[in-house]
Amino acid sequence: EDQVTQSPEALRLQEGESSSLNCSYTVSGLRGLFWYRQDPGKGPEFLFTLYSAGEEKEKERLKATLTKKESFLHITAPKPEDSATYLCAVHPMDNYGQNFVFGPGTRLSVLP
Amino acid sequence: NAGVTQTPKFQVLKTGQSMTLQCAQDMNHNSMYWYRQDPGMGLRLIYYSASEGTTDKGEVPNGYNVSRLNKREFSLRLESAAPSQTSVYFCASSEGRRGPYSNQPQHFGDGTRLSIL
Repeated sequence: EDQVTQSPEALRLQEGESSSLNCSYTVSGLRGLFWYRQDPGKGPEFLFTLYSAGEEKEKERLKATLTKKESFLHITAPKPEDSATYLCAVHPMDNYGQNFVFGPGTRLSVLP
Repeated sequence: NAGVTQTPKFQVLKTGQSMTLQCAQDMNHNSMYWYRQDPGMGLRLIYYSASEGTTDKGEVPNGYNVSRLNKREFSLRLESAAPSQTSVYFCASSEGRRGPYSNQPQHFGDGTRLSIL
């Protein structure tokens, strides 16, 4: 069964304190891995797609990396506006359509 | 450019009542999806439509029906609401132009918060 777990469940950082969020996945084959940001009361907002181990993507203070079993979202010198829940999703190789499997998310709070 | 629009934003129902959640996208996407999001759990797929004229069950389809009205609109219907269906419902769309195995990201609406008493 395809599974996605995320850790930690919640993370509190001081402004400027860099850290990483983890997404671990178990799938028969990976077609792609997606990171989303979700603000309270809003829908998930697409951040990155990673396709193969070793790939990296960057956007402002965020950098996503991918290995064969997990992905990391590195947050460098975070600001309070980076506070949100970060979701990871995988697109398994054997799924018809675009049936993503989502993790439960990591709730990030960045304190000023 | 509105993206994915969901209506209503909030709804309270009594057990046994029926209702339809509406979703429309203006990105000319082929594929559309309905998810539910519950505390501590990831988004779970209810139904999806890979292209206009087709619909398929996802992970948790029981108690729901869908209609792909046209390329823009995809509705979700609860025929007889139950308290277990209290949740936040999200609609999403993706290009899907390279067929069902294409790897385009899904784009989400802001959800419908549904409470069933």
